[in-house]
Parts: sequence; C-alpha cells; structure tokens
Amino acid sequence: QKEVEQNSGPLSVPEGAIASLNCTYSDRGSQSFFWYRQYSGKSPELIMSIYSNGDKEDGRFTAQLNKASQYVSLLIRDSQPSDSATYLCAVLLYSSASKIIFGSGTRLSIRP
Amino acid sequence: DVKVTQSSRYLVKRTGEKVFLECVQDMDHENMFWYRQDPGLGLRLIYFSYDVKMKEKGDIPEGYSVSREKKERFSLILESASTNQTSMYLCASSPVDTNTGELFFGEGSRLTVL
Repeated sequence: QKEVEQNSGPLSVPEGAIASLNCTYSDRGSQSFFWYRQYSGKSPELIMSIYSNGDKEDGRFTAQLNKASQYVSLLIRDSQPSDSATYLCAVLLYSSASKIIFGSGTRLSIRP
Repeated sequence: DVKVTQSSRYLVKRTGEKVFLECVQDMDHENMFWYRQDPGLGLRLIYFSYDVKMKEKGDIPEGYSVSREKKERFSLILESASTNQTSMYLCASSPVDTNTGELFFGEGSRLTVL
C-alpha cells in the first residue's frame, strides 16, 4: 500500500462549480497534512495545511481532515480556469521526523 | 525573496557517467530534500538532510548518494547513471519546524540518461 494515495484524474470541472480532490494515507500516527498546487512546468507550491479533524477554510479553498478514516480532501469553490493544475497531497510522517511524502497528484482541469 | 537554486535546468548524460546535481538555498534552512518526479508517480523522496553532514534515506535511495558539507548546499550524486534515472529532480528546503509543511522548491533539473 502506498503511503499517500490520490486519484490521478484528470478531473474536469465546469467553471464556477466545486472541485473536490481526495487523498488517503496509511500512517495512522501522522498529524500534519498539506495540499500543494503544481502548474505545468513549474514547481509545487503549498496552498493549504491542516492538522486537526474537521474543515479549514482559506478563501475559495477548504481542506477537510478525517483522521479516523485516514482521509484528507480539498474543495475548491467557484472554480476558475487558473485553478487548472495538478494538486498534490502531502503528509508529514509520524514514523520519521521531517519526512514529507507526496501522493501522485490529481490533475484538475476547469472548463469554461 | 527566498530562493532555492538548482545548478542545471537540463542535463543529458550517458549511461555509466557520474552525475552531480547541485542545490543551494539562501534561507538558512536546516532541512533539505531531493525528490524525483515522474508521470503518474508524483514526487518520490530520494534523500533528505536535517543538518550539515547528516542525511537520511528516503523511499528510493538506491543508485543515489548525497553530500551536505555546508548548510546552504545539498548535492545529489548518481554514481553511475542509468536510463531509469531519467527524470525531473526537485530540490527543496524547509526550516527546522517541518510541521508547517512548507517546502521551498527549486525550479527542477531535468536529467536525460542515454
């Protein structure tokens, strides 16, 4: 089992709709979870971090964490063409300090 | 402006060559990382370092070694390059508190091994 799993997509969403991206992880002791966005040909950049069960909102982005189900999600409201990118879920492993592991990423396409 | 600089954006090497990928950060960060990124596989951790002269294996260290003689510089070494090491290599750094999850990435080095 991979440590961090994501559906690779592509996920196509109409402009203005909600995009929902999902991620599961295997290290039950992990406490810190992150979403990175990567535009084509560019390096990843951190957009959200979440540490507690529940929702965390930042503008149009909402991260959701359910530690019991080992599940992290990212919701993007009012999707814009500029949101078209690959979204990478990342986990700071409890078992090894400082080790941040990434999922394979979900490619999101916002269609006008 | 914070910066992680990778010495080469594009390299073409031959099988069996020794390859050095250099990474320098100007943020005085303790932690530095080397990942490789391949289509469908995401970012996979090769090695990381949490202090000068310290290193830890990541998930795929085979065929690679690293060097961190100075805090700002973290080098990835391919002792004998092979075609399956053709990939995009990303260097990143972070402050000692990695709980923030914020990795600062370089622009990447695309390596082709013929």
